[in-house]
Amino acid sequence: SQQGEEDPQALSIQEGENATMNCSYKTSINNLQWYRQNSGRGLVHLILIRSNEREKHSGRLRVTLDTSKKSSSLLITASRAADTASYFCATVLYTDKLIFGTGTRLQVFP
Amino acid sequence: DAGVTQSPTHLIKTRGQQVTLRCSPISGHKSVSWYQQVLGQGPQFIFQYYEKEERGRGNFPDRFSARQFPNYSSELNVNALLLGDSALYLCASSLRGVNTEAFFGQGTRLTVV
Repeated sequence: SQQGEEDPQALSIQEGENATMNCSYKTSINNLQWYRQNSGRGLVHLILIRSNEREKHSGRLRVTLDTSKKSSSLLITASRAADTASYFCATVLYTDKLIFGTGTRLQVFP
Repeated sequence: DAGVTQSPTHLIKTRGQQVTLRCSPISGHKSVSWYQQVLGQGPQFIFQYYEKEERGRGNFPDRFSARQFPNYSSELNVNALLLGDSALYLCASSLRGVNTEAFFGQGTRLTVV
């Protein structure tokens, strides 16, 4: 079963705009990770945030984590057409087994 | 360095048949996991293997089995295929540990007709 849900399910924006997607999960975690998937193929790791961290940056990506609300958000700044993909959050508890959310489909128009 | 490789990329099988999917992890990675992704959903964990031993199993029937070889490559077997087994099967390799990223292959698209 899925760990939680992502919101929104789909998001359409213009190039240059920021994209924000949210992830909610149900259980305790050790860390939370974000992955991108292009055209239903393999997933690419974007960023990992540990349970004792509140915010993390990587290039144009900013991730926040609120363990009290069991939620995380991914912000992509200055979006590009190449950012068009599905984005998934995944939680980890005791092992490196990933429990994925339902995903957000992002469409960035030129 | 080569990434995670999976074969075949596409497969069409008939209900009731058996299928074997293969995965070669990144060199040096001893942990291999399998995921099933049905269209429109997030990947679901099937198995994890580390050092040739099963370390985790998801909520899948016994028709699903896997193994890991001495070179750390892995096979996923599915018996008595059902239409609902149609999905993208993803293999991921990683260094052992909780705070590690997973590297995914491009997946095997299985269609059961």
